[in-house]
Amino acid sequence: DAKTTQPPSMDCAEGRAANLPCNHSTISGNEYVYWYRQIHSQGPQYIIHGLKNNETNEMASLIITEDRKSSTLILPHATLRDTAVYYCIVRGVNSGGSNYKLTFGKGTLLTVNP
Amino acid sequence: KAGVTQTPRYLIKTRGQQVTLSCSPISGHRSVSWYQQTPGQGLQFLFEYFSETQRNKGNFPGRFSGRQFSNSRSEMNVSTLELGDSALYLCASSAWDRVDEQFFGPGTRLTVL
Repeated sequence: DAKTTQPPSMDCAEGRAANLPCNHSTISGNEYVYWYRQIHSQGPQYIIHGLKNNETNEMASLIITEDRKSSTLILPHATLRDTAVYYCIVRGVNSGGSNYKLTFGKGTLLTVNP
Repeated sequence: KAGVTQTPRYLIKTRGQQVTLSCSPISGHRSVSWYQQTPGQGLQFLFEYFSETQRNKGNFPGRFSGRQFSNSRSEMNVSTLELGDSALYLCASSAWDRVDEQFFGPGTRLTVL
C-alpha cells in the first residue's frame, strides 16, 4: 500500500469548515483513498473513501486531485465532537467479500475549538 | 442494529499468562479483522477471518492466534503474555457488499504487568 503524509495537528473553529490534507504521491492506479477517524478512547470510525472522483456523504467530502497524488477531507461545519485523530489510508481494491488489512499512520489530530 | 461489541473492555494480566478476547460483529457481517493499537506502533493488523477461515495475517508471532465461529463471532488468543503485548485490541467487521467500510468495536484494553 502507498505511504501517506499528513500534518500532525490542526485547529479549527467550531462551525467552520475543517480541511484536512493528505499526500499520497506514490499511489497506484487501483488504490483507493480512505479516511477514518478515532475519537479518544473509541475505536476508529469509517468516514469516506474514493478512487478519483470527488465523493460526498453525510459526514464529509473528499476531494482528490486530478493526478491523485493528494487529497483533502472536508468537514463542512465542524463541531466539538469532531475533535479526533484523522487517518488517511491508501490501499488496494477488495474482492471476494473479504476485509483487507488497514494500516494507519500517525494521522492528524484535529482540535475543534469553541 | 447493534454495533460491534468486544468483551471484556479492560483486562489486567501478568507476564506468562494467556488471554482470550471476544468480538461479536454487526449482525449479518461475515468478515472480522483484529488489530493491535499502541502509542508507539499505531494500528497494526493482526488477522482477518471470513466464514470461519483466516484470510489474511499480519506480522505477529505465533503466540497470537484467532478463530471465527459459524455465527461470525470471533475470538483472539494471546499466549505467554509479554509486557509489550499491552495495547488496545480492536475488532472490526464489514458486510459482504460493503467490504470497504469497516466498523470497529470499542476495543479491549489489555495491560500486562
